[in-house]
Amino acid sequence: GQNIDQPTEMTATEGAIVQINCTYQTSGFNGLFWYQQHAGEAPTFLSYNVLDGLEEKGRFSSFLSRSKGYSYLLLKELQMKDSASYLCAATGTYKYIFGTGTRLKVLA
Amino acid sequence: KAGVTQTPRYLIKTRGQQVTLSCSPISGHRSVSWYQQTPGQGLQFLFEYFSETQRNKGNFPGRFSGRQFSNSRSEMNVSTLELGDSALYLCASSLVGTGGSYEQYFGPGTRLTVT
Repeated sequence: GQNIDQPTEMTATEGAIVQINCTYQTSGFNGLFWYQQHAGEAPTFLSYNVLDGLEEKGRFSSFLSRSKGYSYLLLKELQMKDSASYLCAATGTYKYIFGTGTRLKVLA
Repeated sequence: KAGVTQTPRYLIKTRGQQVTLSCSPISGHRSVSWYQQTPGQGLQFLFEYFSETQRNKGNFPGRFSGRQFSNSRSEMNVSTLELGDSALYLCASSLVGTGGSYEQYFGPGTRLTVT
């Protein structure tokens, strides 16, 4: 079957580090995307992993383990503007399977 | 380069009516995907069009249909609207198509309310 799981909600403090996990199960898996969606706005691209390992992009990093069907998004030096939903999406042949999103609240 | 545009942005319809939503992708993008987003279900894939052909379809009833024109613009239609169809409908365009390494660019969405 096809399934993606990620926590519904997380809370962290400004300046801290937070890790958002995502597990997936999908046939014909190609790669794993992470998107950020602020309330009332459209999702915007954050990262893409196709090979195992860590991809770093400034304060954001994303990790993928294909054998474990597991990915995480790591956000460092959290800022208030990072309060948003984070969506992971597994891609396969002609398809994107999105998780329901993790709502991150950053507290001052 | 202009982003993905969707019209209308907001729509209120009555149960039983039908609705047509429009999406214009980023210039040069040939893939257009449609999603339904609700608070409880997240982003649910409706269908994807590439070069005027539907390449993939999600698990939605036949009341949901779509098409793509030669200029890559796409429309989706929902007939016999139900209260549960109230949602944000997002369109996303991609350079090549879903399943590959190309990210999707989302439009602002159409907020449909069915009363």
